[in-house]
Amino acid sequence: DIVMTQSPDSLAVSLGERATINCKSSQSVLLSSNNKNYLTWYQHKPGQPPKLLIYWASTRESGVPDRFIGSGSGTDFTLTISSLQAEDVAVYYCQQYYDTWTFGQGTKVEIK
Amino acid sequence: QLLESGGGLVQPGGSLRLSCAASGFTFSSHAMGWARQAPGKGLEWVSAISGSGGATYYADSVKGRFTISRDNSKNTLYLQMNILRAEDTAVYYCGKNWVAEGYHFDYWGQGSLVTVSS
Repeated sequence: DIVMTQSPDSLAVSLGERATINCKSSQSVLLSSNNKNYLTWYQHKPGQPPKLLIYWASTRESGVPDRFIGSGSGTDFTLTISSLQAEDVAVYYCQQYYDTWTFGQGTKVEIK
Repeated sequence: QLLESGGGLVQPGGSLRLSCAASGFTFSSHAMGWARQAPGKGLEWVSAISGSGGATYYADSVKGRFTISRDNSKNTLYLQMNILRAEDTAVYYCGKNWVAEGYHFDYWGQGSLVTVSS
């Protein structure tokens, strides 16, 4: 099974500042035949369902603000919120879909 | 839209069946799945099924106890949960996959609470 490990577990960022979340997989999620990384990022707010932000590690879902940026390849990935807004307070999860599906443990983002 | 139902309180060792009614897309063209969130915990993927229903997948934590199925004529996804344990207590979310054979999940329902307690 592929294990996903996120860091940090939580972070507090001032409004307008950058937030960076890391995600590491226990094995590569890059499929060489199509050069795609099988990794998504979700935003999860209390009382709401998870919301897809990024898929293929760096493709932004339709309607997602461009301040959300996904990057990385192989085993190391990053979600960057370039300018944190109040509505971005949430828990963020990475998930691999290379071999069934596995979520990371989540990273809680708060306002400093 | 995805609308879960069937959650509730059940005793340890008991059974429960969740349903997820889908609308607004061609149901049979998309794999579907379930994820859950236990109180105070993170998200956990539980199970998935291909668009045709011919392939099913389970997390180790539920394998042998849970069964996923779908009725494409009714646009409905199911999760039969047997031999329930206290650690199965969670909000269960129904998810729609991007394609028929399983890439990322692009939409999740509002969730259904399952409580396993005596």
